[in-house]
Amino acid sequence: QVQLVESGGGVVQPGRSLRLSCAASGFTFSNYGMYWVRQAPGKGLEWVALIWYDGSSKYYADSVKGRFTISRDNSKNTLYLQMNSLRAEDTAVYYCAKDLFSGCSGDCYPDYWGQGTLVTVSS
Amino acid sequence: EIVLTQSPATLSLSPGERATLSCRATQSVNNYLAWYQQKPGQAPRLLIYDASNRATGIPARFSGSGSGTDFTLTISSLEPEDFAVYYCQQRSNWPRLFTFGPGTKVDIK
Repeated sequence: QVQLVESGGGVVQPGRSLRLSCAASGFTFSNYGMYWVRQAPGKGLEWVALIWYDGSSKYYADSVKGRFTISRDNSKNTLYLQMNSLRAEDTAVYYCAKDLFSGCSGDCYPDYWGQGTLVTVSS
Repeated sequence: EIVLTQSPATLSLSPGERATLSCRATQSVNNYLAWYQQKPGQAPRLLIYDASNRATGIPARFSGSGSGTDFTLTISSLEPEDFAVYYCQQRSNWPRLFTFGPGTKVDIK
């Protein structure tokens, strides 16, 4: 069965960096686009970034563009989110999610989601 | 940038009743709209994609309709496990963006 397990969250000071990981199993990771979506405490969902199945294209929300970088290692079935220059407003649970169909190249939707990892930006 | 609004913010209903949730976009999203269900402490679950297609394993009591700017999620007869928050989400190709609505909470009356 599909499994997505996020890790790397924690408490970090404003301006510092953090890297999140998402370990995937139960499907052919290299065939699927992957997403990061976040949810601030008690708030709604916010899309953060998308990477194509082969890593050739990446897209970001305006709120994180220039600060966050999405990447993937298909040999390790792992998705990453490098977060730099963190701000208090980046505090959220970060979810990774797989694309609905293989080869969608961002023309689909987040389908299966991991359980998330909490990032708290605070001094 | 396309903005999604959802109404009502809260819907108080009893098990067995019909739930009708609305999602409206500030400009046409064609049929590129999805619905998600989220229960407390859990990750969201995809229910409907491309406005009216049920995702794998989603019960038939969930249905989606609409196109352009106005969309509806209908739960024909609420089961106890359906009380949750529901989000709509659109995808646009240029610029490549994904936007969520603010959510509708369906709670027990």
